[in-house]
Amino acid sequence: AQRVTQPEKLLSVFKGAPVELKCNYSYSGSPELFWYVQYSRQRLQLLLRHISRESIKGFTADLNKGETSFHLKKPFAQEEDSAMYYCALMEYGNKLVFGAGTILRVKS
Amino acid sequence: KAGVTQTPRYLIKTRGQQVTLSCSPISGHRSVSWYQQTPGQGLQFLFEYFSETQRNKGNFPGRFSGRQFSNSRSEMNVSTLELGDSALYLCASSLEGLDVANEQFFGPGTRLTVL
Repeated sequence: AQRVTQPEKLLSVFKGAPVELKCNYSYSGSPELFWYVQYSRQRLQLLLRHISRESIKGFTADLNKGETSFHLKKPFAQEEDSAMYYCALMEYGNKLVFGAGTILRVKS
Repeated sequence: KAGVTQTPRYLIKTRGQQVTLSCSPISGHRSVSWYQQTPGQGLQFLFEYFSETQRNKGNFPGRFSGRQFSNSRSEMNVSTLELGDSALYLCASSLEGLDVANEQFFGPGTRLTVL
């Protein structure tokens, strides 16, 4: 079965420090991977997807098929980055398989 | 464009009752998916509808069902409620479903509490 693993429940960093949120997946085909974010009191929203190879709010994520990873990175964390982050893999028919999520807490 | 809307936002039911939740997708979106979010199990896929047809289904019992109308609005129904059905139910909509990389837009959710 397809799985997405986010090993850290909570990641706490200081403002200005680098951030790396880990995501590993298992999938038999070519994966479509996403990062979703949920800020406090807001709805779940797409942060970025691997096929677009773009940087959103300073975040990037590279798909590493050899290590089956899709880690989310940002060189300098900001307080407004504090949120819950979900890594997700898309299966057929718009079905998203989510990881358990990682709370990112950026301290001042 | 207005975002995905879900009604009601909060619901309290007792065991054994049934409940219907509603989701209105973004205008022009024909795919609607439903997810259950709980602290223990996280976000789990329930089912997806496209052009009034259920195209994909998660591993939930038959008590969970849904449908989609011709205007793409969707409802999900849970019968014979159990305490474990207490959760946040999220609806997401997206464009034509042929491209598996379509962005899904989520609603605010319906918080269901079963007493």
